[in-house]
Amino acid sequence: AQKITQTQPGMFVQEKEAVTLDCTYDTSDPSYGLFWYKQPSSGEMIFLIYQGSYDQQNATEGRYSLNFQKARKSANLVISASQLGDSAMYFCAMKYNFNKFYFGSGTKLNVKP
Amino acid sequence: KAGVTQTPRYLIKTRGQQVTLSCSPISGHRSVSWYQQTPGQGLQFLFEYFSETQRNKGNFPGRFSGRQFSNSRSEMNVSTLELGDSALYLCASSPRGASVEKLFFGSGTQLSVL
Repeated sequence: AQKITQTQPGMFVQEKEAVTLDCTYDTSDPSYGLFWYKQPSSGEMIFLIYQGSYDQQNATEGRYSLNFQKARKSANLVISASQLGDSAMYFCAMKYNFNKFYFGSGTKLNVKP
Repeated sequence: KAGVTQTPRYLIKTRGQQVTLSCSPISGHRSVSWYQQTPGQGLQFLFEYFSETQRNKGNFPGRFSGRQFSNSRSEMNVSTLELGDSALYLCASSPRGASVEKLFFGSGTQLSVL
């Protein structure tokens, strides 16, 4: 069975500091995609970053980077230079078999001024 | 380019009623998937459509159904509503539904069942 685990229900970070959100996954499928989404209070899911299972290098998108450790089955999101607008729920998700996503339970990030 | 549009934004229904939610994907996207989000169960996959065909289905009862039209717009129907169906229903689209494609989500429909 596929599974995504986010062990941090909530986190606080000081503005301008970096923060790491943890995500581990479990799959026997060799081909999969790992995604991070941000969900502000408005409810919309905003795509942040993607890592393919065959990608050799860690993905980066602006202030977001994904620390992909395939052997450990982890895909942690690193946000550098946190901003107040980063306060939101963050979901790690794994995708395989067309558009069937498995989402983690989410991490609520609060950025303090 | 317009994003994924979901209507209505909010819905209030009573137990036993049925409801239809609508989703218009990004122009050119042929894959549409639906998700249910609740505080207790988190985000759960409902089903995915591509070219008017359901390709994938999550573990939901038959009261949950959907369809996709030739213009890729999709509808989701829930019959005989139960209190536990209260949730945020999110629709997402992607060009083909391939595993490497990111999903673009709509703002969701917040359904409250009284």
